[in-house]
Amino acid sequence: GENVEQHPSTLSVQEGDSAVIKCTYSDSASNYFPWYKQELGKRPQLIIDIRSNVGEKKDQRIAVTLNKTAKHFSLHITETQPEDSAVYFCAASGAEGKLIFGQGTELSVKP
Amino acid sequence: SQTIHQWPATLVQPVGSPLSLECTVEGTSNPNLYWYRQAAGRGLQLLFYSVGIGQISSEVPQNLSASRPQDRQFILSSKKLLLSDSGFYLCAWSPLLTTEAFFGQGTRLTVV
Repeated sequence: GENVEQHPSTLSVQEGDSAVIKCTYSDSASNYFPWYKQELGKRPQLIIDIRSNVGEKKDQRIAVTLNKTAKHFSLHITETQPEDSAVYFCAASGAEGKLIFGQGTELSVKP
Repeated sequence: SQTIHQWPATLVQPVGSPLSLECTVEGTSNPNLYWYRQAAGRGLQLLFYSVGIGQISSEVPQNLSASRPQDRQFILSSKKLLLSDSGFYLCAWSPLLTTEAFFGQGTRLTVV
């Protein structure tokens, strides 16, 4: 079955710097890759997603890139702000519809 | 609009007691439904998922079971809770395979 590895587990940046979180997946049939943000004690919320027929997608300060050949995808946050501090999860889903998550990255943005 | 309801929000149960967590989705039909558990280490572990009534796939052998008695109802159960069952349980739904999943508010279960 699908396995998703996420790195790093913790990430600390200064406000205004960029943050990059990377994920790899094992199932070449996976074709949908969402990213979720989870604030403390709350439910995960989708922030951006990408499908396997697209290499990059951007939404304001957030971008995601996908390398199907290498089976990895990354989240890029530019001009980080303290409110970006949260736990971020990548996930992968294939034809069966199972959404498998990475272990999460705790991002801390220091003012 | 679609909404997902999950209850209770918090639950403290003794070891060996039964468990029933309920999740319902409104405003859509034939959703894909998921149960995840989030332990203190943050990871979201897929426990069960369902693509239709009576169709349940179990991802991890464990002390839990799931049922889908109605199209928009998903129930997580246990006959006898273990200490290791403690965690944050999240129900989620998606309208189609390989689309965004929407999470319920979660149930924080503490087994004592």
